[in-house]
Amino acid sequence: EVLLVESGGDLIQPGGSLRLSCATSGFTFIYYAMTWVRQAPGKGLEWVSTIRNDGTVTYCADSVKGRCTISRDNSKNTLFLQIDNLRVEDTAVYYCVRGGRTQNFDYWGQGSLVIVSS
Amino acid sequence: EIVLTQSPGTLSLSPGERATLSCRASHHIDPFLLWYQQKPGQAPRLLIYDASSRATGTPDRFRGSGSGTDFTLTIVSLEPEDFAVYYCQQRSDWPLTFGGGTKVEI
Repeated sequence: EVLLVESGGDLIQPGGSLRLSCATSGFTFIYYAMTWVRQAPGKGLEWVSTIRNDGTVTYCADSVKGRCTISRDNSKNTLFLQIDNLRVEDTAVYYCVRGGRTQNFDYWGQGSLVIVSS
Repeated sequence: EIVLTQSPGTLSLSPGERATLSCRASHHIDPFLLWYQQKPGQAPRLLIYDASSRATGTPDRFRGSGSGTDFTLTIVSLEPEDFAVYYCQQRSDWPLTFGGGTKVEI
């Protein structure tokens, strides 16, 4: 069974940083690109960042560009997301997703809530 | 950026009725159009990929169609569990984008 489990969501002050983790199991992690998608309260889905299966290439949305670092540890089947200089508008549920531009988003984690507020 | 426009925003229907959801892209994205279903408090679930292929576990009452810039998700006969929000997404080009969603309500 494919499992994606996010952790690290929290209440963070504006200007702070978030670091999310996604522990995966049930599939060969190194075969897949991985992605973060977020959803602000009551809003739609927004792609945030994708990392290639070997970790050599990353992409970040314009809304987080310059503040976004996506990484992975293929020895531990774990995906990470760091966003610095947080803004109130970064408040969202962050989903870990298997897939990228050449692979479908076929499995999603349950999400991790990040609230940016003073 | 490829913009996806979904319509209508809300669809009010009864069980047993047919639902037709539209997703229009600002550029050609053949065939890299996907559809997701999201229920309250849950993560999205992949229903359709490559515009018309059903994902594993998707009931055959869900049918994807379209090409170029115009795509449709049809739910042939609504079941009670189908009332949810549906999103389209393109993976043709960066940035990956989603439509704004269509809520199918009773």
